[in-house]
Amino acid sequence: NAGVTQTPKFRILKIGQSMTLQCAQDMNHNYMYWYRQDPGMGLKLIYYSVGAGITDKGEVPNGYNVSRSTTEDFPLRLELAAPSQTSVYFCASSYSGRGANEKLFFGSGTQLSVL
Amino acid sequence: EDKVVQSPLSLVVHEGDTVTLNCSYEVTNFRSLLWYKQEKKAPTFLFMLTSSGIEKKSGRLSSILDKKELFSILNITATQTGDSAVYLCASFTSGTYKYIFGTGTRLKVLA
Repeated sequence: NAGVTQTPKFRILKIGQSMTLQCAQDMNHNYMYWYRQDPGMGLKLIYYSVGAGITDKGEVPNGYNVSRSTTEDFPLRLELAAPSQTSVYFCASSYSGRGANEKLFFGSGTQLSVL
Repeated sequence: EDKVVQSPLSLVVHEGDTVTLNCSYEVTNFRSLLWYKQEKKAPTFLFMLTSSGIEKKSGRLSSILDKKELFSILNITATQTGDSAVYLCASFTSGTYKYIFGTGTRLKVLA
């Protein structure tokens, strides 16, 4: 059971470039989340989704876009990368069906640097 | 705006000490409070609390929730160097289904 899979693990971007961070889960979770974590800080919610076709903004959505065309995948798109987007990005998911306990499962993270 | 605040921000103790980490929350439609341990990489799950006054325990770690005063504590007894990490708490809200995290408490345990 792979759990939550994020790719890539590391990436360096130049200012103004764009990229997509991939996230997939194989646990049949309907809730998925993207967080960023700056050095020495907690996790800030960027975007989240409660099911395929449904997305919503979190605390820090500016400069990012998401889509949720399937239950399994929740990619995060960075358009026009800026140095302020240098961070570690975590994708996470949880299950909301019968017997759910709201435990949040995390991917291993993507270290992104924008230079 | 939903808010989760942790204290202290950092803590240095010696092996064998007992520590108490605090987490207070102000959220709409509170459903549960979760604690995570983060070492180098992704956070790992410790506890989830939904009811007031019921202690959850795992080895030397324990946690309890007070829904009247809107806070939770995480206790670690007989600390070891392997307990050195950032400890994060998060609230889960029904309705919006968001997990909001605090800034974390950085714990360093010295041998």
